[in-house]
Amino acid sequence: DAGVIQSPRHEVTEMGQEVTLRCKPISGHNSLFWYRQTMMRGLELLIYFNNNVPIDDSGMPEDRFSAKMPNASFSTLKIQPSEPRDSAVYFCASSTGGGDTEAFFGQGTRLTVV
Amino acid sequence: GNSVTQMEGPVTLSEEAFLTINCTYTATGYPSLFWYVQYPGEGLQLLLKATKADDKGSNKGFEATYRKETTSFHLEKGSVQVSDSAVYFCALSGWNQGGKLIFGQGTELSVKP
Repeated sequence: DAGVIQSPRHEVTEMGQEVTLRCKPISGHNSLFWYRQTMMRGLELLIYFNNNVPIDDSGMPEDRFSAKMPNASFSTLKIQPSEPRDSAVYFCASSTGGGDTEAFFGQGTRLTVV
Repeated sequence: GNSVTQMEGPVTLSEEAFLTINCTYTATGYPSLFWYVQYPGEGLQLLLKATKADDKGSNKGFEATYRKETTSFHLEKGSVQVSDSAVYFCALSGWNQGGKLIFGQGTELSVKP
């Protein structure tokens, strides 16, 4: 298996533009997580899905952020409009969903909003 | 709510030195505990885990013991190498939380030859 695949790896966009980050989880995993990593705040859980259904989105910073999982093999995180303070590395992870199971992380998308 | 606190870095050690990175947690019920490692430019990888009290997780010379009485999960290695330089994250997954991980702030380790 190729692991969790995220695209793009790097994204530079202007303030106010829409940004879409993409994730393909590992086949057979039924939980998917979106995290954001910054120097100031560390790793924050934004949202997680179980069987394609959003379970906890309490970490989504504001209405500018939205996430979807239309099927078991694809998820998106959208920011509209983007702001400079959204600059961060965004990670997608997937797991089989049990509390004691390993989460597998993608390589992340480094987003820079100028 | 659940939370994880780990010692601040950066930690700088000489090769072959002993490593300890402290981690304590707050959680209800019986969480599982993890250490993840992040090498530069990469995502996080599982280093080791423990799923119940007194369990010891180990991998690549690293160890951590799940101590419920002190709510701790300290990471140790007897002799570090330059290749161990990375950021280490302590994390917990709460009971019946669908695998959701709560991370500590991360500790950067730099090992000098």
